Amino acid sequence: DSGVTQTPKHLITATGQRVTLRCSPRSGDLSVYWYQQSLDQGLQFLIHYYNGEERAKGNILERFSAQQFPDLHSELNLSSLELGDSALYFCASRGALGARGTEAFFGQGTRLTVV
Amino acid sequence: GENVEQHPSTLSVQEGDSAVIKCTYSDSASNYFPWYKQELGKRPQLIIDIRSNVGEKKDQRIAVTLNKTAKHFSLHITETQPEDSAVYFCAAINSAGANNLFFGTGTRLTVIP
Repeated sequence: DSGVTQTPKHLITATGQRVTLRCSPRSGDLSVYWYQQSLDQGLQFLIHYYNGEERAKGNILERFSAQQFPDLHSELNLSSLELGDSALYFCASRGALGARGTEAFFGQGTRLTVV
Repeated sequence: GENVEQHPSTLSVQEGDSAVIKCTYSDSASNYFPWYKQELGKRPQLIIDIRSNVGEKKDQRIAVTLNKTAKHFSLHITETQPEDSAVYFCAAINSAGANNLFFGTGTRLTVIP
């Protein structure tokens, strides 16, 4: 168990719908990263939050948004879903307060299937 | 931002042989280089990492080397076993900066028994 919790584990929804994926980081970790992994593909960086603030955006679609709350959990919102959004979505957390150069821990991922 | 390139994309080796995966990075300020292993359907997990003040690090059959001048680092797996079959990802982070975590495109390693 990495200490990073993602919910739900599986999600099946129809095209055009909106879903919210949730990530609870390890205790004390301030950074949350979101990645999209399509079948047999790499880890596409979506967005990075640190202590509630957006730090960097990757190739994140305008239909996608995220936020990190005061308790440091993060949510990734995906709207107007398309078939091509079907993928495994990972979050990772890193960096206890004051620590640098430390390991990032991944959650188990949310498998999203758009039908 | 950082750009991490990884080669090869696929690698097949006979059990017992060595495997080498190479990565290059673009940001000279990057100072932390982790390697992750992802088994089918599972989360990526750290297998070894190296900081920029070190040129090489070993952990049993796994080693990582770093060449800061050339901005490349490599993963070496010796005496490969079937359970080493997985996808391996390298990453580079500037821990003094934004701490963004960019991964290479991954290498699918297959160890043939």
